[in-house]
Amino acid sequence: GNSVTQMEGPVTLSEEAFLTINCTYTATGYPSLFWYVQYPGEGLQLLLKATKADDKGSNKGFEATYRKETTSFHLEKGSVQVSDSAVYFCALSDPGAGSYQLTFGKGTKLSVIP
Amino acid sequence: EAQVTQNPRYLITVTGKKLTVTCSQNMNHEYMSWYRQDPGLGLRQIYYSMNVEVTDKGDVPEGYKVSRKEKRNFPLILESPSPNQTSLYFCASSPLGYGYTFGSGTRLTVV
Repeated sequence: GNSVTQMEGPVTLSEEAFLTINCTYTATGYPSLFWYVQYPGEGLQLLLKATKADDKGSNKGFEATYRKETTSFHLEKGSVQVSDSAVYFCALSDPGAGSYQLTFGKGTKLSVIP
Repeated sequence: EAQVTQNPRYLITVTGKKLTVTCSQNMNHEYMSWYRQDPGLGLRQIYYSMNVEVTDKGDVPEGYKVSRKEKRNFPLILESPSPNQTSLYFCASSPLGYGYTFGSGTRLTVV
């Protein structure tokens, strides 16, 4: 079956530091990959996505590249802000294999301190 | 505004008292789904629906029921809630596979 593994948290960074959150996946087909963000007390929001190999998703200064050869979709940001403090979830769906279910990693909590 | 609306946001109930959490979307999406979020376990799918009158079990369906009589609504029913169903619940909808939109969540406590 499909699965997503992301780095354990929590991660604490100083403002303007570089962020990387690792995500690797296992899928039977050719999945679409997503990063979702959950701010305190809120629901999940789509941060970025990529639907095929070598695609780069980007939004709000965050980037992730779909690497089929390493089955990875690592999230990066060059300079984090306090407002980026949240929980980040890597996820996949595999509609080409008939599965529209979103399979999530366990989440990585990011805290950014001034 | 395109959105998924869940109600209630917070609910405290007693063991065995039937409850329903409502979910409604205004985007004409075919696919709707329920997830629960628990510390250390992430989000796990409870049930999903591909369209009206088409529902199926997700990874953790025990103790839950759903129905899809109209395209926009997908209520989650707990016929006899137990304390292990204390969790944060999310409804989501999607136009079949891309761009899931999530509701704001329902925090359920069963005592």
